[in-house]
Amino acid sequence: NAGVTQTPKFRVLKTGQSMTLLCAQDMNHEYMYWYRQDPGMGLRLIHYSVGEGTTAKGEVPDGYNVSRLKKQNFLLGLESAAPSQTSVYFCASSQQPGGFTEAFFGQGTRLTVV
Amino acid sequence: RKEVEQDPGPFNVPEGATVAFNCTYSNSASQSFFWYRQDCRKEPKLLMSVYSSGNEDGRFTAQLNRASQYISLLIRDSKLSDSATYLCVVKRDDKLIFGTGTRLQVFP
Repeated sequence: NAGVTQTPKFRVLKTGQSMTLLCAQDMNHEYMYWYRQDPGMGLRLIHYSVGEGTTAKGEVPDGYNVSRLKKQNFLLGLESAAPSQTSVYFCASSQQPGGFTEAFFGQGTRLTVV
Repeated sequence: RKEVEQDPGPFNVPEGATVAFNCTYSNSASQSFFWYRQDCRKEPKLLMSVYSSGNEDGRFTAQLNRASQYISLLIRDSKLSDSATYLCVVKRDDKLIFGTGTRLQVFP
């Protein structure tokens, strides 16, 4: 009963390196989200997707790209990592965008950019 | 100004106390409302949805005032296990928008 799985769970990057965070859900949910969480800032929406093949920008999209080629996967890419992207990243999925349907979160990815 | 505002706390209360958290949202187009709970270094989890008529789930009561754009959460008979950060969440369009959270610490 996996739910939402994020990989990796921890990563240290050097400034300028690239990486991809993978989010996989096994609940056949239509909607998927990527958030970052920083002290005092709460969860801020980076990008989201309302279905396979769709993506949209959230509150803080700069420096990130996403893809949703398969319904169950939502990838978050950092092309050239910066120290300001040090954060905890959470992926979530829901059958509907909120409504009265629960959003399920992955366990988070702790990323440090040095 | 953030779209969803909460007092960050912390609220330090003894076991058995009643504690209330407030949340305001700025966009009147917000459609649905929730409280999530987040334990330290863990992912957020849904605590309860908030309905216009108000709703209760055991020791937890949530209220919504659309006219004032205000949401509240009341916790009665606080337990040590209630210690966590409580996140106010609104749904607007296709997005879930989170407040910064209110931290609760229940002490013996």
